[in-house]
Amino acid sequence: DAGVTQSPTHLIKTRGQQVTLRCSPISGHKSVSWYQQVLGQGPQFIFQYYEKEERGRGNFPDRFSARQFPNYSSELNVNALLLGDSALYLCATPGQSTDTQYFGPGTRLTVL
Amino acid sequence: AQSVTQLDSHVSVSEGTPVLLRCNYSSSYSPSLFWYVQHPNKGLQLLLKYTSAATLVKGINGFEAEFKKSETSFHLTKPSAHMSDAAEYFCVPFQGGKLIFGQGTELSVKP
Repeated sequence: DAGVTQSPTHLIKTRGQQVTLRCSPISGHKSVSWYQQVLGQGPQFIFQYYEKEERGRGNFPDRFSARQFPNYSSELNVNALLLGDSALYLCATPGQSTDTQYFGPGTRLTVL
Repeated sequence: AQSVTQLDSHVSVSEGTPVLLRCNYSSSYSPSLFWYVQHPNKGLQLLLKYTSAATLVKGINGFEAEFKKSETSFHLTKPSAHMSDAAEYFCVPFQGGKLIFGQGTELSVKP
């Protein structure tokens, strides 16, 4: 978690609502990846952004979207929330080597 | 394609005894492999990374892992467990621009 920040820490929403999660990468790093970790499972890759362009997408429905800003911070949006979207959402940025990912503390989303 | 198998879903050790968390990989080429640790209700912390420069990799908090090509293994070890080592551990390949996580191994440490 070398400098990656995420907000908010916790969030409670109801089914059908929309949510926006935020991530700031390590200063000066241009790549951000998002992962979803459902309770009891390992994280699953959602998106990667580099220089504001989507570079990779995991097997998630179109309800999930993201964007990256000129300062390289990123937002993950989830529309029409389902109970199954309850999870820890993690943001990661690479270190000196692009395959070495450093994670933020995550945002815990609970959908009721 | 590259995949890993963590052979134990749960490992329990006593404080002060050695830790062994097993990971086998399957790859047609030299993998890019990591061990991450996740403490309860926390994010993921990088423990160590395999590079082709060295088969024995030393990580943080006294952990190390040895890459054995002949056995296709990358087991994580620590000589003496501490209570603070209780956590979930993931052996993770990097492929196609992303980390590919499995279920992980839960380590319990008894006093």
